[in-house]
Amino acid sequence: NAGVTQTPKFQVLKTGQSMTLQCAQDMNHNSMYWYRQDPGMGLRLIYYSASEGTTDKGEVPNGYNVSRLNKREFSLRLESAAPSQTSVYFCASRPPSSQPQHFGDGTRLSIL
Amino acid sequence: ELKVEQNPLFLSMQEGKNYTIYCNYSTTSDRLYWYRQDPGKSLESLFVLLSNGAVKQEGRLMASLDTKARLSTLHITAAVHDLSATYFCAVGPMDSNYQLIWGAGTKLIIKP
Repeated sequence: NAGVTQTPKFQVLKTGQSMTLQCAQDMNHNSMYWYRQDPGMGLRLIYYSASEGTTDKGEVPNGYNVSRLNKREFSLRLESAAPSQTSVYFCASRPPSSQPQHFGDGTRLSIL
Repeated sequence: ELKVEQNPLFLSMQEGKNYTIYCNYSTTSDRLYWYRQDPGKSLESLFVLLSNGAVKQEGRLMASLDTKARLSTLHITAAVHDLSATYFCAVGPMDSNYQLIWGAGTKLIIKP
């Protein structure tokens, strides 16, 4: 009963490097989300996918791209990492209607 | 634009005391969520509030919603150390079924 699985859990990058954060859910949810969490700022939505085949920008999409590979998987890509992207990244999925989102354990990303 | 404010942002209290965390939001919404986050961990859903006057209780925590005042409260009764965590409220804007706007979080420390 894994729920939402994120990989990797930790990553250190150099400025300018690229990487992809992976997220998979096994709850058959249509909606999936990527957030970043910075100290004192709560969660900010980067991108979301309402259903397989669709993606939309959230509050802070600049510097990121996403792919909804299938119903289970939603990846987040940093093409050219910048120190301002140092953060904790959370993936979430949501059942239909107004039920709460389910979160993964997060990826702690540091960019030097 | 929907804005969400929590207060206080930090609260240190003694075991056995009662206290309330407040979540104000700026525009009409039809759904509000409370989450808990332990240090270095993921977010766990506590309550979903969907209508004016809604009240939910779980153990020593009780959440309520007043949509006319655009206010939700999370009340802690006879606090115990295990309730130490950061508590977030998140509000769904009326113009999006998918997005949530998050408060900055209330870090609660309960001293024995």
